[in-house]
Amino acid sequence: EAGVTQFPSHSVIEKGQTVTLRCDPISGHDNLYWYRRVMGKEIKFLLHFVKESKQDESGMPNNRFLAERTGGTYSTLKVQPAELEDSGVYFCASSTGQVPYEQYFGPGTRLTVT
Amino acid sequence: AQKITQTQPGMFVQEKEAVTLDCTYDTSDQSYGLFWYKQPSSGEMIFLIYQGSYDEQNATEGRYSLNFQKARKSANLVISASQLGDSAMYFCAILPFKAAGNKLTFGGGTRVLVKP
Repeated sequence: EAGVTQFPSHSVIEKGQTVTLRCDPISGHDNLYWYRRVMGKEIKFLLHFVKESKQDESGMPNNRFLAERTGGTYSTLKVQPAELEDSGVYFCASSTGQVPYEQYFGPGTRLTVT
Repeated sequence: AQKITQTQPGMFVQEKEAVTLDCTYDTSDQSYGLFWYKQPSSGEMIFLIYQGSYDEQNATEGRYSLNFQKARKSANLVISASQLGDSAMYFCAILPFKAAGNKLTFGGGTRVLVKP
């Protein structure tokens, strides 16, 4: 069974540019999460999809971030326009939604905004 | 709201010895899960072990065990017989069991370096 995959693994962009991150969850996992770790800080929740619906987007930092999960399969996270403080590692995770709700993480996308 | 505190930013352990990583938590939820993840230098987050708040026995998974003390709100990870491949960041996390919004709240992590 394939794990959670994320693309790209690294992205370096200039301030003001747009970047789109992609996450493919484990097949059959309806729940998809985005988290981010900014350098030296804790891993923080961004948002949660159940199938194609946004269940919780309370962690999205501002309206420069847009997440989608059309068709309830893969998800994209777009940052437009990127700012320096957006640099960090963006993780995607998926789960079945059944107790104990363990989440399986992808390898992350390291985003550097210069 | 949930909070996880990992007080050990980094630690060394001798190969083949056991190491305990501290984790304390704060939550107002009655039903929750505690998770430990390992992040090696390659960057991926690897799920290690889970403990449910109503589980009476401490969880074990191979060389990993969780010392769960509910009254103290602690969920320490014990790695027995450390191996060089155990060198990594370790994160403790909590997840409330709710009908919706099952998001993980992480601690700051502990970096473990296993010495040969």
